[in-house]
Amino acid sequence: AQKITQTQPGMFVQEKEAVTLDCTYDTSDQSYGLFWYKQPSSGEMIFLIYQGSYDEQNATEGRYSLNFQKARKSANLVISASQLGDSAMYFCAMKGGDQAGTALIFGKGTTLSVSS
Amino acid sequence: DADVTQTPRNRITKTGKRIMLECSQTKGHDRMYWYRQDPGLGLRLIYYSFDVKDINKGEISDGYSVSRQAQAKFSLSLESAIPNQTALYFCATSPAGGASYEQYFGPGTRLTVT
Repeated sequence: AQKITQTQPGMFVQEKEAVTLDCTYDTSDQSYGLFWYKQPSSGEMIFLIYQGSYDEQNATEGRYSLNFQKARKSANLVISASQLGDSAMYFCAMKGGDQAGTALIFGKGTTLSVSS
Repeated sequence: DADVTQTPRNRITKTGKRIMLECSQTKGHDRMYWYRQDPGLGLRLIYYSFDVKDINKGEISDGYSVSRQAQAKFSLSLESAIPNQTALYFCATSPAGGASYEQYFGPGTRLTVT
């Protein structure tokens, strides 16, 4: 069975500092995708970044990068130069399996608080 | 206009009532999903549909039913609402294809069952 684990219920960081949000996953599939979503207090789910299991390079999207370590089954999100607007819940998710394109499996999330 | 819309956005209902949550999308995607979010538990899959004739149960389908009225519409029903169905409900869509395709989420429906 596929599983996503986020072990940090809450993280605190000051503005302009970098922060790493941890995510480990478990799957027996060879082909899978890893995603990070941001959920601000308003509730919507905002897609941040994607990493494919066969991608050799770590994904980057602006201030977001995904530290993908396949052998360790980890897909940590790195936010550089944190901003107050980064305060939100962050979810790691995975998609894969025989029915590729099926539903996402989510971790329980990490609440990030950015202070000035 | 938003690509994925959900109605209502907020709803308070009483135990035992039937309620329907509706989802519409203009993205032209074949695949649609319903998730439920509870505090501390992340999002969990209720039902998903690959096309109008293909509907599948997810992890937590008990107490729920769905209807795919058209490619663009996917409704979730609570036949007899109970308080532990109080949650934030999300509809999502994705194109058919491999694991690389992200899902596009609606704004969510906050449901309270009293």
